[in-house]
Amino acid sequence: EVQLLESGGGLVQPGGSLRLSCAASGFTFKNYAMTWVRLAPGKGLEWVSILTGASDNIHYADSVEGRFTISRDNSKNTLYLQMSSLKTDDTAVYYCAKGGSGSRYSPLDAWGRGTLVTVSS
Amino acid sequence: DIVMTQSPDSLAVSLGERATINCKSSQSVLSSSNNKNNLAWYQQIPGQPPKLLISWASTRESGVPDRFSGSGSGTDFTLTISSLQAGDVAVYYCQQYYNIPFSFGPGTKVEIK
Repeated sequence: EVQLLESGGGLVQPGGSLRLSCAASGFTFKNYAMTWVRLAPGKGLEWVSILTGASDNIHYADSVEGRFTISRDNSKNTLYLQMSSLKTDDTAVYYCAKGGSGSRYSPLDAWGRGTLVTVSS
Repeated sequence: DIVMTQSPDSLAVSLGERATINCKSSQSVLSSSNNKNNLAWYQQIPGQPPKLLISWASTRESGVPDRFSGSGSGTDFTLTISSLQAGDVAVYYCQQYYNIPFSFGPGTKVEIK
């Protein structure tokens, strides 16, 4: 069974930093693209970033480009999202999601339960 | 960037009745390489993570009840729930995975009338 477990969320002040982790199990992690998606209060889902299995293709939403860094450690089956220069607009539940094998152009077929990031003074 | 729109924003349907949600992309998401539409539908029940219902515009995921169906091609797509059940109360999102950023629609909230 595929399992994704996010951690690392919490309360942070504007301008601060936070690192999210997503521990994966139940599939061959290194073969799959992984994505971060967020859900802000009262808003819809927002695609944040994607990283291919070999980390050779990385993309970000314009809203986080230059502030967030996605990475992965395939030896630990873990996905990361380093967030810096955080803004109040970054307040959201952050989900990691599993994409396709061999291609990043795939739907997200498994999701974690999410971790809440609150940016507030 | 591809902009996704959905209609309606919300709808209330009686139990056992049909619910229809529309999704439109600002440009075609039909891939010429495999003649498939890079369009997915997700269901998000309050308090839960999103769940993939439909991929490639019309392929139902394993375990998804057959009352859920997807149709459409190019820029216009539809999710149909043929007979609404109480457990279908959720927000439904379409998403294109044709061009990065892989944008979502704004969501359609489905409730029981």
